[in-house]
Amino acid sequence: EGQLVESGGGLVHPGGSRRLSCSASGFAFDSYVMHWVRQAPGKGLEYVSAISTDGLKTYYADSVKGRFSISRDNSNNTLFLQMSSLRPEDTAVYFCVKDFDARCTIATCFTRWRAFDIWGQGTVVAVSS
Amino acid sequence: SSELTQDPAVSVALGQTVRITCQGDSLTTYYASWYQQKPGQAPLLVIYGKTNRPSGIPDRFSGSTSGNTASLTITGTQAEDEADYYCYSRDSSATHWVFGGGTKLTVL
Repeated sequence: EGQLVESGGGLVHPGGSRRLSCSASGFAFDSYVMHWVRQAPGKGLEYVSAISTDGLKTYYADSVKGRFSISRDNSNNTLFLQMSSLRPEDTAVYFCVKDFDARCTIATCFTRWRAFDIWGQGTVVAVSS
Repeated sequence: SSELTQDPAVSVALGQTVRITCQGDSLTTYYASWYQQKPGQAPLLVIYGKTNRPSGIPDRFSGSTSGNTASLTITGTQAEDEADYYCYSRDSSATHWVFGGGTKLTVL
């Protein structure tokens, strides 16, 4: 069964940067679109970013567009999220997430649904002075 | 704000049936997937597609859609089902994928 393990969280000052990593195992990492989802303290889930299997296409929520950059290293089964110009409202647990279906692209799964079947345990990013 | 609307909180008596709903214009075309999240844990996929359950999810969990409302039904609710539940599907423009705001389920 697949596993995702995030790392890189911590305390960051406003305006600062942080790079999150997610190590994948137990599945064909290079066959799946990968995602980042975050959850602010006491709040719901917020979709953040996605990257295609070859790393050439990316998607960002409006709240992070221009500040965050997603990338992947398929040779080392690792997903990254480079975060810059961090704001207090970026404080959250950041989850690395795998698409359920290998047929999915960023835009569509060619079905009437999309689902995430493997989640990491999350890494906490706190933005505060 | 989310374009998928969920009731913030729902309660159910132990052993009874509860339905958790998710409303949105996109749900007339797309199905929702559903996630269970217990405190301090990552979300867990419980329903995807029309009404499919991943391996290991008890058959007391089921999904359905009527009009613009997707529902997660738990039949014979157990104490361990107490959790937050989130739906996930397309937004109303069918351009983006979004989560609902979440429903806190309390088992009495």
